[in-house]
Amino acid sequence: AQSVSQHNHHVILSEAASLELGCNYSYGGTVNLFWYVQYPGQHLQLLLKYFSGDPLVKGIKGFEAEFIKSKFSFNLRKPSVQWSDTAEYFCACRFSFNKFYFGSGTKLNVKP
Amino acid sequence: DAGVTQSPTHLIKTRGQQVTLRCSPISGHKSVSWYQQVLGQGPQFIFQYYEKEERGRGNFPDRFSARQFPNYSSELNVNALLLGDSALYLCASSLTGTTGELFFGEGSRLTVL
Repeated sequence: AQSVSQHNHHVILSEAASLELGCNYSYGGTVNLFWYVQYPGQHLQLLLKYFSGDPLVKGIKGFEAEFIKSKFSFNLRKPSVQWSDTAEYFCACRFSFNKFYFGSGTKLNVKP
Repeated sequence: DAGVTQSPTHLIKTRGQQVTLRCSPISGHKSVSWYQQVLGQGPQFIFQYYEKEERGRGNFPDRFSARQFPNYSSELNVNALLLGDSALYLCASSLTGTTGELFFGEGSRLTVL
């Protein structure tokens, strides 16, 4: 069965620290991959997406993610986090044309 | 431009009651999807509608139903509410039914007592 897993449920970092959030999916076929972010009190917003081509994808606010097909992974990275990055981050995959599967989310708390 | 709008934002119901949640997609978007987000979990797919037709259904009981109107707005109905239906219900729109990303509304927070 298709599924998405996020390994870190809660991450605490100091400002300027580097960030990597893990995301793995289980599916052998073609997938579209996404990272969404939910800032406190706001709706889910798209950070970045991968459909095909260059496996290193750059998104908004300095975030990037790398699709590694052999590892079924799509990890999110940022070289230097800011306090304003405090939010919950969701990895999502579209395995079939009309349905997104979401991970359980990672809460990031950045200390100023 | 207005984003995805949902109403009501919060509501409280008792077990056995029925609830209707409403969603207006971004102008020009023809697909609307509904997701349930239980505290501590990621959103779970309930329905997708495209051009007023149901194009997908998640693993939810028949108590859950939805429809899409000619103006592409949508309603989600839940009958015979259970305590476990307490959740944030998210509506998302997309330009087409098969490609692109989802654009989410702020959700309707349902509490069942």
